[in-house]
Amino acid sequence: DAGITQSPRHKVTETGTPVTLRCHQTENHRYMYWYRQDPGHGLRLIHYSYGVKDTDKGEVSDGYSVSRSKTEDFLLTLESATSSQTSVYFCAISERGNTEAFFGQGTRLTVV
Amino acid sequence: AQSVTQLGSHVSVSEGALVLLRCNYSSSVPPYLFWYVQYPNQGLQLLLKYTTGATLVKGINGFEAEFKKSETSFHLTKPSAHMSDAAEYFCAVSGGGGSYIPTFGRGTSLIVHP
Repeated sequence: DAGITQSPRHKVTETGTPVTLRCHQTENHRYMYWYRQDPGHGLRLIHYSYGVKDTDKGEVSDGYSVSRSKTEDFLLTLESATSSQTSVYFCAISERGNTEAFFGQGTRLTVV
Repeated sequence: AQSVTQLGSHVSVSEGALVLLRCNYSSSVPPYLFWYVQYPNQGLQLLLKYTTGATLVKGINGFEAEFKKSETSFHLTKPSAHMSDAAEYFCAVSGGGGSYIPTFGRGTSLIVHP
């Protein structure tokens, strides 16, 4: 299995608070992604990174920011959590943009 | 922008029956195509992929998919369903004249009845 660790695995937070999710990889892959999974919507891309300090927005980036200061870590921050951000968040990595992605186990976030 | 459509949010089959999960993509140039499987409370894992070459691709657990350019399709099949195949299946696309960042379909839940 690809070495991808997401933390925390579960989190409950209050509306309006900032939240940071962490993705750590041991594969030295260049690309890292954050997706959210919601019933009826499948996986939607939030942000992705193609190198240290190189990031770009996905289709549902509003309310989220990311940072990648090291190859192995990709952080997703919800600046002020809202109930609409209750979801399961997946981190994924790939060697290149057109190769298969390897996924973490997911983080279940509940905003109350 | 590239996109992928999975027909049917749920597919129900009996154990031992043929499994057919449909995926169509929109792209003027053949893209890279992937099928992933997700078991409950887990992340996604790759079943199979098409990049170039042979259009019939074999994957893990007896699944296979055929790339049909004329139909812009990449349907997933398995001759005989097993109870352990019950899961969520996602088709994904990258490249094809668009972004190389993977775009996923909405998923199809496979239900297997005894």
